[in-house]
Amino acid sequence: KAGVTQTPRYLIKTRGQQVTLSCSPISGHRSVSWYQQTPGQGLQFLFEYFSETQRNKGNFPGRFSGRQFSNSRSEMNVSTLELGDSALYLCASSFQGGAGETQYFGPGTRLLVL
Amino acid sequence: GENVEQHPSTLSVQEGDSAVIKCTYSDSASNYFPWYKQELGKGPQLIIDIRSNVGEKKDQRIAVTLNKTAKHFSLHITETQPEDSAVYFCAASIGGGGADGLTFGKGTHLIIQP
Repeated sequence: KAGVTQTPRYLIKTRGQQVTLSCSPISGHRSVSWYQQTPGQGLQFLFEYFSETQRNKGNFPGRFSGRQFSNSRSEMNVSTLELGDSALYLCASSFQGGAGETQYFGPGTRLLVL
Repeated sequence: GENVEQHPSTLSVQEGDSAVIKCTYSDSASNYFPWYKQELGKGPQLIIDIRSNVGEKKDQRIAVTLNKTAKHFSLHITETQPEDSAVYFCAASIGGGGADGLTFGKGTHLIIQP
């Protein structure tokens, strides 16, 4: 079974631009979560989607948004990029996002904002 | 919200020795505690997890212990091998599933000296 895939793997943007990152979960998984990883703040929860609905979100500004499609693939969007948005963005999938389910992480998209 | 502290930030041990990483959490409602291993260029991979109704769990060379009263949990790796070198993250969650989000510690860089 193929793992979680994320595209692109690397991205360079300039301040003020917007960016869209994509995540394809493991086949059959319907829950997709997004995390931001930085050296200073570590791994932080952004939001989680299930059946095209956002069920939970972390403490991030509204510039960070996401969506999920009917095939469970998910995208996250960051508008008006700031230097501090430079990070590794990780997506994780699980069957339904329920208790006891292992979350499988993708390799991440490394975003550099100049 | 939940806060997870992880120590030490770097741990160097001789191959064959044991390694112990400790975490404390703040929210007594947390009931799911996974440990992830992250290798360079890869996303975090679950290595073991424990729930609040269990005090200890073991999987071959890896074990996790949980003390709910003291709100701390630990990862124990015995007979360390070179491939154990990586960054290890502890995490805590109230619901235990992807929908609830994971709060991560800042990570421990484990170095296995040959």
